[in-house]
Formats: sequence, C-alpha cells, structure tokens
Amino acid sequence: DSGVTQTPKHLITATGQRVTLRCSPRSGDLSVYWYQQSLDQGLQFLIQYYNGEERAKGNILERFSAQQFPDLHSELNLSSLELGDSALYFCASSPGTANQPQHFGDGTRLSIL
Amino acid sequence: GQQLNQSPQSMFIQEGEDVSMNCTSSSIFNTWLWYKQDPGEGPVLLIALYKAGELTSNGRLTAQFGITRKDSFLNISASIPSDVGIYFCAGQLGNNDMRFGAGTRLTVKP
Repeated sequence: DSGVTQTPKHLITATGQRVTLRCSPRSGDLSVYWYQQSLDQGLQFLIQYYNGEERAKGNILERFSAQQFPDLHSELNLSSLELGDSALYFCASSPGTANQPQHFGDGTRLSIL
Repeated sequence: GQQLNQSPQSMFIQEGEDVSMNCTSSSIFNTWLWYKQDPGEGPVLLIALYKAGELTSNGRLTAQFGITRKDSFLNISASIPSDVGIYFCAGQLGNNDMRFGAGTRLTVKP
C-alpha cells in the first residue's frame, strides 16, 4: 500500500460529459502529480501541485484542470470528454523536497462510451 | 524536454533466468528510479538511486546510476513468475520534474 488513495477506481461515462477524479496524498506529502496512461502506453505527466499551488504543467489539455485543496487532497477535472480520453489516470505524491521519489496510487480507470 | 530511451521494449524469459534492462538519456538527471507496474495497479517504487556510480540492491534486484548521470540499468536475478509486469525507469531533476521511460514488459514462462 503506497498510502496514496484514488477514487473512484472505475468510471464509465459518455462523450461530452464531465468527471472529477480525486486523490489523497500520503500523509506528510505536499506535492501531488497527475499522470495519464493510455492502453499499453507509458506515463504521460499532466500537472503537479505543491502545497496548493500549481508547480509544473505537462501535456495537459485545456479541457482538463486540477486543483489542490488546503487539506492537500487534489482533484482532476476532465470535461467535454472524448473517446480518446479513455485511459488510466494516476495520482502520485512526494514530500516536495528535491529528489524525493513519487509514490503512486492505484489509479482511476476512465472509460468513455 | 528530456527523453528517456528504455530498452528492451519487451522480454520473454524462462523462470530462473536473469534479466537486464536499461535506460539512457541525452540529459543529466539527479536521481534515477525504477518502478514496477502490475496489471490494474499503480507503479510501485523498486529502487531509487541518488549518486552517480551508485549500485543498489533490493532482494534479487540490482540497479546502478550511470557514472555520466545519463543512464541506469536494472538487473533481476533468478526470475520468478511474479516478476511479470511492466518496469519503468524514471529520471528526476532537482525540482521534482520526473521523466519516465516507455517501459519494459516482462513475461516469465514457468
């Protein structure tokens, strides 16, 4: 158990809809990262938050947004969903200090019908 | 941005064999990490390397941080069926910016 909790585990929805994925980081971790993993693909970095503020942005679409709340949990919002958004979405957390490894949750599997 | 080249892409081996995979980059990293991902689960950290030349073991796993800071390898000795999965390397810069390799899919035949 990595200590990173993601909900829901599975999500099935239709094109054009909007969903919210939730992540609770490990106790004491200040940084949260979001990744997208499509079928048989590697991990694509989307966005990082540190202590409530956006720290880094990767290949995140404009239809996607995220935030980190004062209690350090984070939410990833995906809107105007398209078939190609079907993927596993992972959250990872780290203490936020330099060179500390990230620990991953078990992901949310999003299926767009 | 920095790209990591991970090889091989996939491996099919017999139980008991040793395995070696590696990652190279054109850029320098401060930290190299190796993760394993089982089907339907998130990547799990196996080994973290913090110094150039560092050689670290975790059970049957051994990883090294290349002396040039641009590469790393992971060896698995005496493979067993539960070693099956996808292994990812990751290079990390000091600002927590992390780049992942494309993964090595390992299949172990009993």
